[in-house]
Amino acid sequence: NAGVMQNPRHLVRRRGQEARLRCSPMKGHSHVYWYRQLPEEGLKFMVYLQKENIIDESGMPKERFSAEFPKEGPSILRIQQVVRGDSAAYFCASSPSVGLAGYEQYFGPGTRLTVT
Amino acid sequence: QQQVKQSPQSLIVQKGGISIINCAYENTAFDYFPWYQQFPGKGPALLIAIRPDVSEKKEGRFTISFNKSAKQFSLHIMDSQPGDSATYFCAASVSWDNDMRFGAGTRLTVKP
Repeated sequence: NAGVMQNPRHLVRRRGQEARLRCSPMKGHSHVYWYRQLPEEGLKFMVYLQKENIIDESGMPKERFSAEFPKEGPSILRIQQVVRGDSAAYFCASSPSVGLAGYEQYFGPGTRLTVT
Repeated sequence: QQQVKQSPQSLIVQKGGISIINCAYENTAFDYFPWYQQFPGKGPALLIAIRPDVSEKKEGRFTISFNKSAKQFSLHIMDSQPGDSATYFCAASVSWDNDMRFGAGTRLTVKP
C-alpha cells in the first residue's frame, strides 16, 4: 500500500517547543498540500508545495509556521514555539502532477498535535 | 472567507433511508467538486467527485447531483447503513491553482 504516509501519528509538545510533521506523498505524486483540522471543524488549507517550491502559502500563519518539500525526502511542516492554539490534527494530501488526475487529492492519516 | 457552505451540520438517518447532504459554492471558477468521507481518527478519503460538465454521477449507493446555475451540489447516500456513519466533507477547487476549499463537514449517524 503506497498511500500517503505521515509521521508521527501523535505528537505532544510543551509550549515554546518546536513541532516537526512529516509527509511522504504517494508514489508518483509531486504535489503536496497541508491542512489543519480543529476538533469538530472542517479542513483548512495551509500550504501547497511542489518539489523544492512553495506554490501557495496563503493559508499558513505568517509567523512560526514554515513548510518545505525538498528534492529528496518527505515534506516537512514546521511549527516553532508552539502554543496551545496549535493543538489540532494536521493532514497532508498529495496529488499527481499532470492532467485531470491532478485534481484528486489523497490524504494521509494525519498527525495529531497536542500542546501542553 | 468561506467559499463552500455545507449543510446540515449533523444528520441522523435510519438504516435503509436516504442521506442527503448539500453544498453551495460562490466561486464560479470552481470546476472540480469532490466528496470526502472521514472516520474518527482517520484521514479524509475521496468518495466520489464530479465536474461541471455533468449534472449527476452515481457510484454504487452514492450519487452526486450538480446544479451549475444554482451553484449547488449534493451527496445522496441510498440505502444508508450504520457503516456509513462518518463525517462527510464537500470540496471545490479550481483546476489551474490546485487550491481546494472544503465545507465545514456533516456528521452522519445511521441508526440500525
